[in-house]
Amino acid sequence: DTEVTQTPKHLVMGMTNKKSLKCEQHMGHRAMYWYKQKAKKPPELMFVYSYEKLSINESVPSRFSPECPNSSLLNLHLHALQPEDSALYLCASSQDLWGGVGQETQYFGPGTRLLVL
Amino acid sequence: GDSVTQMEGPVTLSEEAFLTINCTYTATGYPSLFWYVQYPGEGLQLLLKATKADDKGSNKGFEATYRKETTSFHLEKGSVQVSDSAVYFCALSDSGTASKLTFGTGTRLQVTL
Repeated sequence: DTEVTQTPKHLVMGMTNKKSLKCEQHMGHRAMYWYKQKAKKPPELMFVYSYEKLSINESVPSRFSPECPNSSLLNLHLHALQPEDSALYLCASSQDLWGGVGQETQYFGPGTRLLVL
Repeated sequence: GDSVTQMEGPVTLSEEAFLTINCTYTATGYPSLFWYVQYPGEGLQLLLKATKADDKGSNKGFEATYRKETTSFHLEKGSVQVSDSAVYFCALSDSGTASKLTFGTGTRLQVTL
């Protein structure tokens, strides 16, 4: 089973709202990723957690706050977003971040489509 | 740094036509190579992968061969279906620098009856 689940599927929020995106995997993977994808573009990496610790932050604005409560869950807390933050947010997981060949394959969830008004 | 170059789309084909989507890469180490597919309104699905030179990845009638001498990983399918209409992303992961994916820009495939 290579399933990554994400909730909600769609989210509309105002610029003063606080909301959270959730991601879950039960493959025993120890690396989890957040990506942002704008229309007609490839995904852009935002954050990487490895063994529940933040390993990579690609200079993402502080209005995005990731959290990894345990090895199966990844959250992305959203606060004071701007309309340009509207995008598809994708979660992914892989067996390991530094495990090398064979452990680096990333499996993606279906995404949360976010609209900021 | 690492980079992936894909052919510009959209690619429009009739059903049962032969498909080739070109992908070339630049990497400092020994990358693994991937093709992901994104159907309209969905996330990315892993289509196939290859982890070393001369490996052939295959899935659902699609295949791609890791060519180190030409730094290429072209995607092919002998007979496309309307249901193959999607955006295809070529990507690499250079295991020497953590499992970060470098994506190409994506190629939109439209298959018509």
